[in-house]
Amino acid sequence: SQTIHQWPATLVQPVGSPLSLECTVEGTSNPNLYWYRQAAGRGLQLLFYSVGIGQISSEVPQNLSASRPQDRQFILSSKKLLLSDSGFYLCAWNGWQGDEKLFFGSGTQLSVL
Amino acid sequence: AQSVSQHNHHVILSEAASLELGCNYSYGGTVNLFWYVQYPGQHLQLLLKYFSGDPLVKGIKGFEAEFIKSKFSFNLRKPSVQWSDTAEYFCAVNAPDKLIFGTGTRLQVFP
Repeated sequence: SQTIHQWPATLVQPVGSPLSLECTVEGTSNPNLYWYRQAAGRGLQLLFYSVGIGQISSEVPQNLSASRPQDRQFILSSKKLLLSDSGFYLCAWNGWQGDEKLFFGSGTQLSVL
Repeated sequence: AQSVSQHNHHVILSEAASLELGCNYSYGGTVNLFWYVQYPGQHLQLLLKYFSGDPLVKGIKGFEAEFIKSKFSFNLRKPSVQWSDTAEYFCAVNAPDKLIFGTGTRLQVFP
């Protein structure tokens, strides 16, 4: 069965420090991968999505970047965190095989202080 | 650009009251529509989905949604809510290769 792993679960980082959140998917190949952020009062916001290795689409201009070095690996990064980067980050995938249900990771609560 | 609007940001109801949460989308192509729910302390889970066919879709826990193409709407309904329905509800629409979510509606149900 397919599973999605996302880590770390919580992270506290000072302003200006770098960030790397990792997400991996098992049990499927060539998934579509997504990074979402849930900020207080804002709901879910799509940050990046990827339909294949090295293919990244950015939805909003921001301080973050994403990379997909392998088929089932999706990384969210920042060189210098801002206070406004605080939030709950969700990785997700779907397979577009007649059921576009989105499967979410467990999320990372990021606090930038 | 594709977008999803949820008009109700915060809804407060008493148990047994009826519920309707609004969702409108903007997308010119064929759409698949979803309602997701996030219970306190839990992850998002799929409540119901519309791909094609009968525009009235029934989901889990007594929820249903109606796709009205002419109004670009996919409102969520439940005839009688329970305290356990307290959660955040997200409407979503798929555009090619991605899902776009609305901002969510927080539902609080009081006994």
